[in-house]
Amino acid sequence: DTAVSQTPKYLVTQMGNDKSIKCEQNLGHDTMYWYKQDSKKFLKIMFSYNNKELIINETVPNRFSPKSPDKAHLNLHINSLELGDSAVYFCASSPWDGANSPLHFGNGTRLTVT
Amino acid sequence: GIQVEQSPPDLILQEGANSTLRCNFSDSVNNLQWFHQNPWGQLINLFYIPSGTKQNGRLSATTVATERYSLLYISSSQTTDSGVYFCASPGGTSYGKLTFGQGTILTVHP
Repeated sequence: DTAVSQTPKYLVTQMGNDKSIKCEQNLGHDTMYWYKQDSKKFLKIMFSYNNKELIINETVPNRFSPKSPDKAHLNLHINSLELGDSAVYFCASSPWDGANSPLHFGNGTRLTVT
Repeated sequence: GIQVEQSPPDLILQEGANSTLRCNFSDSVNNLQWFHQNPWGQLINLFYIPSGTKQNGRLSATTVATERYSLLYISSSQTTDSGVYFCASPGGTSYGKLTFGQGTILTVHP
């Protein structure tokens, strides 16, 4: 299936741990993103990459480090997890600039920090 | 940055009813997108609508950029339409920096 897929779907961990979320898209899109959805369902962009190059870093704590080994993959590593990091993290992709082309989301990773 | 306001915040319908959801923007609207988040949390792109009107089955969307708003019409609603509807616009920024509205929670009862 053509899609944006991210793993894991659920992530439960303790404060202070380090965790990673992986994302892959086989749509042939040039641009990939990480969005965060908080408990009130508000969606906010964290990062965007265009063909492996970081384009947007939206005032995210430097405990969050995205990595794009190629344009089909964008992973998110989080160090020293805090309670406030609990949220649903969505990976997304778009054919080119997502401001001018439709955005396609993965199914989300629900992160719970205890 | 651009401010996005959606109305109504909540909407409850009986199956078969029609509804209109609205997005108002504080700044120029361009390349607006509508999304549906189903009860399982999946976010589906419904429309990419820079301007004018688009239709997809029972759903249609209209963007009036000059008046800074967009409307999503749902006709003959079904229980599977339940979920949260978001609109988003880049508002002049680029590279996917969409600003999302707070969403409209739609519940369709059988």
